[in-house]
Amino acid sequence: GQSLEQPSEVTAVEGAIVQINCTYQTSGFYGLSWYQQHDGGAPTFLSYNGLDGLEETGRFSSFLSRSDSYGYLLLQELQMKDSASYFCAVRSTYNFNKFYFGSGTKLNVKP
Amino acid sequence: GAGVSQSPSNKVTEKGKDVELRCDPISGHTALYWYRQSLGQGLEFLIYFQGNSAPDKSGLPSDRFSAERTGGSVSTLTIQRTQQEDSAVYLCASSLAPGTERQETQYFGPGTRLLVL
Repeated sequence: GQSLEQPSEVTAVEGAIVQINCTYQTSGFYGLSWYQQHDGGAPTFLSYNGLDGLEETGRFSSFLSRSDSYGYLLLQELQMKDSASYFCAVRSTYNFNKFYFGSGTKLNVKP
Repeated sequence: GAGVSQSPSNKVTEKGKDVELRCDPISGHTALYWYRQSLGQGLEFLIYFQGNSAPDKSGLPSDRFSAERTGGSVSTLTIQRTQQEDSAVYLCASSLAPGTERQETQYFGPGTRLLVL
């Protein structure tokens, strides 16, 4: 089975850097994805790590370490619009099109 | 281009009634997923379609839930004899077929907010 753990809530100030962690217990997966969801909105894809290491996309970066069963999403130069929930997700190798999502981290950005 | 669309956007029904939720995926996306999200919670996988077939129905909560997809496009999720615990947002997502580029990216619709009274 798959289990992904995230902190429930994180608070940071505008302009700061915040890291949202995702630890997982899984029997096998292809890679780690991150999604953003604003209140009342649909989740939108942010990034994907198929291999260990850091992936950078503008202000957002994502990291994966399979040996540590750990990944994170790094948000730099925080803006008020970054206030949202962030979900990590994996696609299982046993049922390769079944996605498992973490419970989400609510990010509150304060002025 | 057009994204994933879902209808209705909101549905209020009485306990015991049947409801039907619709999803129109992005054209050309052969993979289609249904999820359920309760308030403040993560996404609970319900069912996945590859084309018109559903190789994985393991996430359906009970036999009151069923889903179908026709023509490799539109999908409907049906909940029979609704219960109050069925109240949630039902999200649909589509993606390219396995083995294709960016198969990891799911594109979500706006969801259907279901309230069972």
